[in-house]
Amino acid sequence: QKEVEQDPGPLSVPEGAIVSLNCTYSNSAFQYFMWYRQYSRKGPELLMYTYSSGNKEDGRFTAQVDKSSKYISLFIRDSQPSDSATYLCAIRKNSGGSNYKLTFGKGTLLTVNP
Amino acid sequence: EAGVTQSPTHLIKTRGQQATLRCSPISGHTSVYWYQQALGLGLQFLLWYDEGEERNRGNFPPRFSGRQFPNYSSELNVNALELEDSALYLCASSGQTGMGQPQHFGDGTRLSIL
Repeated sequence: QKEVEQDPGPLSVPEGAIVSLNCTYSNSAFQYFMWYRQYSRKGPELLMYTYSSGNKEDGRFTAQVDKSSKYISLFIRDSQPSDSATYLCAIRKNSGGSNYKLTFGKGTLLTVNP
Repeated sequence: EAGVTQSPTHLIKTRGQQATLRCSPISGHTSVYWYQQALGLGLQFLLWYDEGEERNRGNFPPRFSGRQFPNYSSELNVNALELEDSALYLCASSGQTGMGQPQHFGDGTRLSIL
């Protein structure tokens, strides 16, 4: 079983739609949860960074973590064509030794159509 | 504030040659991480340097190596290049690892092996 699973899509939505992106993970030792956005030919850009279960909101983006189900989500409200990119979930264990490396999902390619 | 910078942007080599990739972290960051993003495989952790020392490496052969300099910049060396080494190599940096600081990425070096 892979440590983190992410539906690769692709996902195509009309402008203004609410987008839901999801990942599941297998090990309860993972404590930090991130969402990155990667445009073509660019590096990943940090969107959201959470530690605890629950919701974290930043503008049109909401990150949701459910540690009991080992499930993380990113919601994008009022999606824009500029949101078209690959979205990567990343998880990390708590402090110490090898735990600082990030484990990534394969990424979901999102296209928002005007 | 300048982000993580990587050079060169693109590097073309032939099988058996050696490649050197360079990374400058965000000012004030002491940890540098290297990841490989190969087509179809997603982002894979390669190496982590902190305070000049290699702290952890991923599941890659010893011909992948690197170092971190006193100014916290880093270089990744790949010896005896193979065709499957063709990928985007991403560098990330973070502040004090014990504080759970997130990793920020550069735009990568695209390594093409002919």
